[in-house]
Amino acid sequence: GNSVTQMEGPVTLSEEAFLTINCTYTATGYPSLFWYVQYPGEGLQLLLKATKADDKGSNKGFEATYRKETTSFHLEKGSVQVSDSAVYFCALIRQGAQKLVFGQGTRLTINP
Amino acid sequence: DSGVTQTPKHLITATGQRVTLRCSPRSGDLSVYWYQQSLDQGLQFLIQYYNGEERAKGNILERFSAQQFPDLHSELNLSSLELGDSALYFCASSRGPVNTEAFFGQGTRLTVV
Repeated sequence: GNSVTQMEGPVTLSEEAFLTINCTYTATGYPSLFWYVQYPGEGLQLLLKATKADDKGSNKGFEATYRKETTSFHLEKGSVQVSDSAVYFCALIRQGAQKLVFGQGTRLTINP
Repeated sequence: DSGVTQTPKHLITATGQRVTLRCSPRSGDLSVYWYQQSLDQGLQFLIQYYNGEERAKGNILERFSAQQFPDLHSELNLSSLELGDSALYFCASSRGPVNTEAFFGQGTRLTVV
C-alpha cells in the first residue's frame, strides 16, 4: 500500500541552524508529494508540493525535491527562525486518488 | 486563513452521546474531505464528498456518517461516542473530485469524557 515515513521527532534546533526533516515514501505509480505545517492551535497549511520526479517545491525559505530514485522528499531550510516552530507533515497522494496519506509528523522547536 | 470554516472549535461531550461537526468549504470548492487526527493513529482520512455525492471512503467507523448539502457545506455525525473518539477532526476542501491541492480548516477538537 501507500505510506509515508518521516524522521522521528521531536527536533530541537537553535535559531539560524540548518534544518533537514527526512521523508521517504512507498507508493505505486507517480504520486504527488506535499509538506504540510501545523502551527500550535491551528489547522494544516500547505507548505509546498511537487508533482513529478525532480520537481522542487519551495515556499517561505523551505525546499524539498522529489527524488524518485530514492523515493524521498526531504524538507530543508537554510536558516530557521523561532517562528518555524511547528509540526511538519509529509504526505502523498496517488495519481487520480482522493485521499492524502500522511506521515506521522515531526515536531520542530527552534530556540532563540 | 485557508477559507475553510469549521464549527465548533471545541466540543466536550459524554460517552454514548452524538455530535455533529460542521464544515464550510472554500468558495468554489466542490469536494470536502474529513480527517481525524489522534495521538495514536496520526492523521487518518475518513471520507470525501464531491458535489453532494460520496466519492471516497477511508477508515470511517460505522458509528460515523457524513453528508454534503446542496450549498456544499458538510456535516460529520459521530454517534455512540467512546473515549477513543477524542481527537481533532479536520475538514479540507478542493476544487474538483481529484485531490490535487486540499485546503484545511482549523479543526474541531472533540473531547469525550
